[in-house]
Amino acid sequence: DVKVTQSSRYLVKRTGEKVFLECVQDMDHENMFWYRQDPGLGLRLIYFSYDVKMKEKGDIPEGYSVSREKKERFSLILESASTNQTSMYLCASSYRPRLAIFYEQYFGPGTRLTVT
Amino acid sequence: AQKITQTQPGMFVQEKEAVTLDCTYDTSDQSYGLFWYKQPSSGEMIFLIYQGSYDEQNATEGRYSLNFQKARKSANLVISASQLGDSAMYFCAMRERGGNNAGNMLTFGGGTRLMVKP
Repeated sequence: DVKVTQSSRYLVKRTGEKVFLECVQDMDHENMFWYRQDPGLGLRLIYFSYDVKMKEKGDIPEGYSVSREKKERFSLILESASTNQTSMYLCASSYRPRLAIFYEQYFGPGTRLTVT
Repeated sequence: AQKITQTQPGMFVQEKEAVTLDCTYDTSDQSYGLFWYKQPSSGEMIFLIYQGSYDEQNATEGRYSLNFQKARKSANLVISASQLGDSAMYFCAMRERGGNNAGNMLTFGGGTRLMVKP
């Protein structure tokens, strides 16, 4: 079974703190993703990585950065947390086929971050 | 413009009845795929069903089926014989062929919260 784990289920941080959210997958997937989930807005892509040290901005990258030093690990960094970054953060991974459309993204359990 | 639209923020259904969750999409790609995910209150995203744009038959997976109407750009999820355990958020998502790395990404709708009444 594919396993995507996230370092914390719940996190409370103060405004201005630097926050690290860690994600690890055990299936040797090339692709890893960070999403933010807010009510009524669904999941919005923050950043995507298709290989070690490679990244692409998603729809809402402002205020976030990412790091992928090893294939299995993808970190989301909030340089200076703000209250509007209070949200559920979901990590996902998938392999990277060249032509196929159908392949699953596997999700972690999510981290609910509260910034006070 | 929204690429994936789910117009029903919340729905109730009686246990054992069928329910349809709406999803419309917008793409200019000829090759794309549509996905439905379920998210129970525990938070994990569970893949349910997939429909490819070139698939001629509607996808089915147990009690789940996808009513795919390509000309209308709709991909509604039908759950037959609802069970209490079906109470969850449901997300429609699309992957377009795109170019470069775009084909690796999923775009999600806003979700529908389904509540099954006993």
